Amino acid sequence: SQTIHQWPATLVQPVGSPLSLECTVEGTSNPNLYWYRQAAGRGLQLLFYSVGIGQISSEVPQNLSASRPQDRQFILSSKKLLLSDSGFYLCAWSVGTSNQPQHFGDGTRLSIL
Amino acid sequence: GENVEQHPSTLSVQEGDSAVIKCTYSDSASNYFPWYKQELGKRPQLIIDIRSNVGEKKDQRIAVTLNKTAKHFSLHITETQPEDSAVYFCAASRRDSNYQLIWGAGTKLIIKP
Repeated sequence: SQTIHQWPATLVQPVGSPLSLECTVEGTSNPNLYWYRQAAGRGLQLLFYSVGIGQISSEVPQNLSASRPQDRQFILSSKKLLLSDSGFYLCAWSVGTSNQPQHFGDGTRLSIL
Repeated sequence: GENVEQHPSTLSVQEGDSAVIKCTYSDSASNYFPWYKQELGKRPQLIIDIRSNVGEKKDQRIAVTLNKTAKHFSLHITETQPEDSAVYFCAASRRDSNYQLIWGAGTKLIIKP
């Protein structure tokens, strides 16, 4: 069966520091991969999605970037974190065909001080 | 642009009663509609989904109905239990990308004992 791993679970970072969050999927090939952010008490905001290695689409302009160096690995990065980057970051995957459910990782709670 | 409106934002029901959450979508080309449940501090989890070739789908106490003409779909939970308390999100597939979803803002469901 398929599983998705996301780490770390919790992260506290100072303003201006870099960020790297990693997500890996097991048990499937060529998945679609997604990064979402969720502010406290709010909905899901899609940040990036990828349909293949090296293929990244950005949904909102910001100081974050994403990379997909391997088929089942998705990385969210920032060179300099802002206070507004605080939130709950969720990685998700779906089968690489249309109209399929997305399955979420356990998320990373990021606090910027 | 494309959007999904979800109502109500908060719903409080007595344990044992039914709960109904409604979503309206704008893109007539949407053809996949999942529902997710998110418990406090946890990841969203798929609870039921429906495709546009079906008008209703049931899974034990949970059902989803779809009205393509009116462009709305609803989640029905019968015989509510305390563990049903959570935030529920609806979503609809995007016209220009069958890999992406347009998300509703969420409904906080409170089950009163």
